[in-house]
Amino acid sequence: DAKTTQPPSMDCAEGRAANLPCNHSTISGNEYVYWYRQIHSQGPQYIIHGLKNNETNEMASLIITEDRKSSTLILPHATLRDTAVYYCIVRVGTSGSARQLTFGSGTQLTVLP
Amino acid sequence: KAGVTQTPRYLIKTRGQQVTLSCSPISGHRSVSWYQQTPGQGLQFLFEYFSETQRNKGNFPGRFSGRQFSNSRSEMNVSTLELGDSALYLCASSFGAFEGNTIYFGEGSWLTVV
Repeated sequence: DAKTTQPPSMDCAEGRAANLPCNHSTISGNEYVYWYRQIHSQGPQYIIHGLKNNETNEMASLIITEDRKSSTLILPHATLRDTAVYYCIVRVGTSGSARQLTFGSGTQLTVLP
Repeated sequence: KAGVTQTPRYLIKTRGQQVTLSCSPISGHRSVSWYQQTPGQGLQFLFEYFSETQRNKGNFPGRFSGRQFSNSRSEMNVSTLELGDSALYLCASSFGAFEGNTIYFGEGSWLTVV
């Protein structure tokens, strides 16, 4: 299984961009990178996902390096409500166990006023 | 468009009892999966159903079971509850069981076993 490595915690000033890194050096060519976040006691919230190209939606941008071994989630203007645990997940393969999401420990992002 | 709905949101059970949790996926979604979240183990995959068939199962004992109905709604059951089963149980749905399909989670069911 492709595994991900994320820093355990990060701080960001309110209004500034939050850049959350993720290392997935063993990713395979057909594996997507997903980002979710979880605010305490709530279900994980989908943020964005991508295969090889950079992606942007109303919540965030996802930058995937050319070799696909790492990615960065960018929250362009962080607010206090963005304080959460952010999970970077590589979805493994296409069959059987591939359909599940394997969550690591994630990054606790704290947005400071 | 309604999200993934889980019921009940909170429940308390006694050791040895059984519990059934319900999940209604997003309309049109055919894949439903279940996860358990505990402070010690984090989020762990339980099982996944697609078109009423269990397609994948995580590393949990046989006390944990589930099923999916023809309308894609799903239930999971835990029999002979143990204290360690206290957790947040999350249901997630997606249109299909493919890598590129986004998986959306419900708010979860908090189970406390006493």
